[in-house]
Amino acid sequence: AQSVTQLDSQVPVFEEAPVELRCNYSSSVSVYLFWYVQYPNQGLQLLLKYLSGSTLVKGINGFEAEFNKSQTSFHLRKPSVHISDTAEYFCAVRPGGSYIPTFGRGTSLIVHP
Amino acid sequence: DAGVIQSPRHEVTEMGQEVTLRCKPISGHNSLFWYRQTMMRGLELLIYFNNNVPIDDSGMPEDRFSAKMPNASFSTLKIQPSEPRDSAVYFCASSSGGNSYEQYFGPGTRLTVT
Repeated sequence: AQSVTQLDSQVPVFEEAPVELRCNYSSSVSVYLFWYVQYPNQGLQLLLKYLSGSTLVKGINGFEAEFNKSQTSFHLRKPSVHISDTAEYFCAVRPGGSYIPTFGRGTSLIVHP
Repeated sequence: DAGVIQSPRHEVTEMGQEVTLRCKPISGHNSLFWYRQTMMRGLELLIYFNNNVPIDDSGMPEDRFSAKMPNASFSTLKIQPSEPRDSAVYFCASSSGGNSYEQYFGPGTRLTVT
């Protein structure tokens, strides 16, 4: 069974600093990869996705992620965070041929002024 | 499109009562998922429907939980009888066919069982 590990449960950072949220998954077979963001009292929204092609994927709000097949990782980055980026971030992996994604436990990004 | 619609947004009930949560997926989406989110267990998949048919219900905790999808535009998740440990935020998500399969989540129903 697929598993997804988000290595940090909480990441505090100062405004305008860069940030990286880490995600590793268990299987190296064909996968589709997603990052979702959840703001307080809201549902999850898609930030970006990797399906195929370029390993560097750009998403909304200035976020990007890089797919590394050999390390089975899909880390999320932003060069300069804003207070409004404070939220919970979820990595999800869907194996090819499956309709069901596996979600990580989430990483709470806390941006301090 | 209005997105995935869930009702009610908040539900407070007493232990032993029946609770029904409702979901309207995005029009044209043929897959529907029910999730439960708690601090302890994170985001758990309860059940997955494809074309209104339950495909995977292995995440349904026990017989007290049941879900239906009578048509493409409506689904319910019922808990009977409810228990305090059912307190959580319940999300409905839908997705379309094709290779992307990203999910569109509703705003959730916050259930409190006292």
